[in-house]
Amino acid sequence: DTGVSQDPRHKITKRGQNVTFRCDPISEHNRLYWYRQTLGQGPEFLTYFQNEAQLEKSRLLSDRFSAERPKGSFSTLEIQRTEQGDSAMYLCASREIDFGGELFFGEGSRLTVL
Amino acid sequence: QKEVEQNSGPLSVPEGAIASLNCTYSDRGSQSFFWYRQYSGKSPELIMFIYSNGDKEDGRFTAQLNKASQYVSLLIRDSQPSDSATYLCAVQPGGSYIPTFGRGTSLIVHP
Repeated sequence: DTGVSQDPRHKITKRGQNVTFRCDPISEHNRLYWYRQTLGQGPEFLTYFQNEAQLEKSRLLSDRFSAERPKGSFSTLEIQRTEQGDSAMYLCASREIDFGGELFFGEGSRLTVL
Repeated sequence: QKEVEQNSGPLSVPEGAIASLNCTYSDRGSQSFFWYRQYSGKSPELIMFIYSNGDKEDGRFTAQLNKASQYVSLLIRDSQPSDSATYLCAVQPGGSYIPTFGRGTSLIVHP
């Protein structure tokens, strides 16, 4: 399977704990995105990488969130000191073409903060 | 003000009918427009993209773009129960690499 893969698919944690999600994009895609989606809402942009460079980060993103993409391959999204409001589906997507082109989404990582 | 607006629905149509889904956007500099379909519990998948004013057809799907009025629509002809899903409109401003999504419209096609 050469699609976008995310791990873990589900994570249940207690408030205050740290969690980390991993995304492996399609291998030839140099652009990688993280979005967050809650029930009844569309995906909300979190951050974007071109190769290993994090080029844009949502102004709404708390400093408890950090993302990396070492060597321009897989990416990790870490949430520190989780809050109940962080409960959501975290979607990773990758894209090949610069300004247009399809976003290929992974199946998502569902976070539940108790 | 939300940048991409969609009616959340649900939009209910009978099988075989035409479903019309609409989306408006606020950034006049937007240049790329996308329609994604999302089944319940699944991730979004692209149906169509459109860059120029007018209509673009692909099988049973037609995307319509009117930049002057800042709206983009998706028509689904001969709707099938398998078309029942949430349809997400995404808009990308010129010079930006970031698509912004609307909240999606839920479509129900009943037999």
